[in-house]
Amino acid sequence: AQTVTQSQPEMSVQEAETVTLSCTYDTSESDYYLFWYKQPPSRQMILVIRQEAYKQQNATENRFSVNFQKAAKSFSLKISDSQLGDAAMYFCAYRRTQGGSEKLVFGKGTKLTVNP
Amino acid sequence: DVKVTQSSRYLVKRTGEKVFLECVQDMDHENMFWYRQDPGLGLRLIYFSYDVKMKEKGDIPEGYSVSREKKERFSLILESASTNQTSMYLCASSLYGPGGYGYTFGSGTRLTVV
Repeated sequence: AQTVTQSQPEMSVQEAETVTLSCTYDTSESDYYLFWYKQPPSRQMILVIRQEAYKQQNATENRFSVNFQKAAKSFSLKISDSQLGDAAMYFCAYRRTQGGSEKLVFGKGTKLTVNP
Repeated sequence: DVKVTQSSRYLVKRTGEKVFLECVQDMDHENMFWYRQDPGLGLRLIYFSYDVKMKEKGDIPEGYSVSREKKERFSLILESASTNQTSMYLCASSLYGPGGYGYTFGSGTRLTVV
């Protein structure tokens, strides 16, 4: 079974600085998808970024980018120019390619604090 | 604006009560999911459904059941609420297919069982 590990329960960053959240996963599949979700205090889970495993190019969405290392099964999220609104729980998730009803497998989350 | 709507944001119920948590999506998604979220444990899948009247157990189905009579609605039922079911419950939906579809989540229901 696939597992997703986020080794940092909590992280903090100064406003305008850069922070990297770690995620590793375990799978025997060669093709799959990886996601980062953000859950602010309002509780609404929001998709931050998505990566297709067969694409070598790292995904980027504005100030959010990933470092995808397929061989190492690592999928870290980098937040540049951190803002107060980035404070949230961040969850890494994995999804198999095959199947129509495949569920996402989530890590336990990293709580990010942004200090002014 | 497409969305997933959970009927209650906060709910307080008594031990032994039968509790219904409702979730409705307006995106014509085939897949719907119920998770519970607890500090330090992340999101754990309770049940999911990929079609009307179809359901599959997730990782922690004990003490729960589900109902999906219409495509847009997925209900989570606590047959006899217990204090260890006090938690945040998240509903989500996604398209069906081999593509890397992510979830769209509801805003969550914080359930307290007293």
